[in-house]
Amino acid sequence: DAKTTQPTSMDCAEGRAANLPCNHSTISGNEYVYWYRQIHSQGPQYIIHGLKNNETNEMASLIITEDRKSSTLILPHATLRDTAVYYCIVRVADNTDKLIFGTGTRLQVFP
Amino acid sequence: DAGVIQSPRHEVTEMGQEVTLRCKPISGHNSLFWYRQTMMRGLELLIYFNNNVPIDDSGMPEDRFSAKMPNASFSTLKIQPSEPRDSAVYFCASSFGRGYNEQFFGPGTRLTVL
Repeated sequence: DAKTTQPTSMDCAEGRAANLPCNHSTISGNEYVYWYRQIHSQGPQYIIHGLKNNETNEMASLIITEDRKSSTLILPHATLRDTAVYYCIVRVADNTDKLIFGTGTRLQVFP
Repeated sequence: DAGVIQSPRHEVTEMGQEVTLRCKPISGHNSLFWYRQTMMRGLELLIYFNNNVPIDDSGMPEDRFSAKMPNASFSTLKIQPSEPRDSAVYFCASSFGRGYNEQFFGPGTRLTVL
């Protein structure tokens, strides 16, 4: 299984872009990168996923490096409601449905 | 859509008692997942079902845990007998198709075993 490495915590000022990095240097060619977040006391929430191309939706943008060994989740205009733990996940290579959650990055957005 | 529904939201029980957690997935979803979250171990996948059939239960900690999905709209996770180390937040999630599609999580059940 490709493992991911994320910083334990990050801070971001409200209104500024939050850039959350993730390293996945052992990722295989057919593995996707997923991002979920968990706001305190709630269930995790899907944000975005991608394979090799950059992706954007109403919540965030996902930038994947050309070698696919790392990626960055971008929240373009962070709000206080974006304070959460952000999980970068690589789907396991045996084609099961598992999502293995690591420890994630705790993002604190301050006023 | 009501989203994934879990009950109860909070459960406090004594060691040795049977505990049953319930989950109603989003209508039309055919994959269902049970997770457990603790401070020490984080978020762990316990078991998942596809079309009501258990596909992978390798995350179930021991024989005291069992899960069933009798139909597409209902699943249970049972712990018998419960132990203090089972105290955790248990999440149910569902997805349409396989699990690499977006998983929608319920609000969780906070279990405390005294």
